[in-house]
Amino acid sequence: DAMVIQNPRYQVTQFGKPVTLSCSQTLNHNVMYWYQQKSSQAPKLLFHYYDKDFNNEADTPDNFQSRRPNTSFCFLDIRSPGLGDAAMYLCATSLYPGQGAYEQYFGPGTRLTVT
Amino acid sequence: AQRVTQPEKLLSVFKGAPVELKCNYSYSGSPELFWYVQYSRQRLQLLLRHISRESIKGFTADLNKGETSFHLKKPFAQEEDSAMYYCALSGQNSGYALNFGKGTSLLVTP
Repeated sequence: DAMVIQNPRYQVTQFGKPVTLSCSQTLNHNVMYWYQQKSSQAPKLLFHYYDKDFNNEADTPDNFQSRRPNTSFCFLDIRSPGLGDAAMYLCATSLYPGQGAYEQYFGPGTRLTVT
Repeated sequence: AQRVTQPEKLLSVFKGAPVELKCNYSYSGSPELFWYVQYSRQRLQLLLRHISRESIKGFTADLNKGETSFHLKKPFAQEEDSAMYYCALSGQNSGYALNFGKGTSLLVTP
């Protein structure tokens, strides 16, 4: 089945130790998104790609970076994780919005713990 | 600024009772509104979008531009409806990225 896959599902890292989360999709969608969701909060958009065009949200910390080497894969790099970065990280994909928004397809998420 | 407000963090109803999950928004222009649902241990998935004007799993939602609301309704709740529900807004102003409300946890008890 076409889907959005995130690896790993659970990630534990140490304070300040760089970590990379990965997302892959078999939907061949143009757009990929990374959201951060902290406990009991709404998913918050960090950044998104329209094909290779990177769009950073204004309030996304510089500590968060992203790479999209091809259509299928997208990575979230946290250069120096702090305790406040512990959260569920959601990857999503959609078609290019064009004249309107399309449904976003979400991965299962990666739960990041920072010790 | 665009904002989505879901005033109820938790909503508990009995099976067979009507349910309404409230969503209000603020947006300059013509937004697109969605309801996403997350069942226990499952991924977030689309339930409804306002432009479709369809009923999914017995749920409906009407966009009321005058009241800037997009409430989710179902006349007879079922136990399997228990889940987390997120109202979300999208529009050209934000490059069509989703802006989520904080979510309402619906619990349907027998």
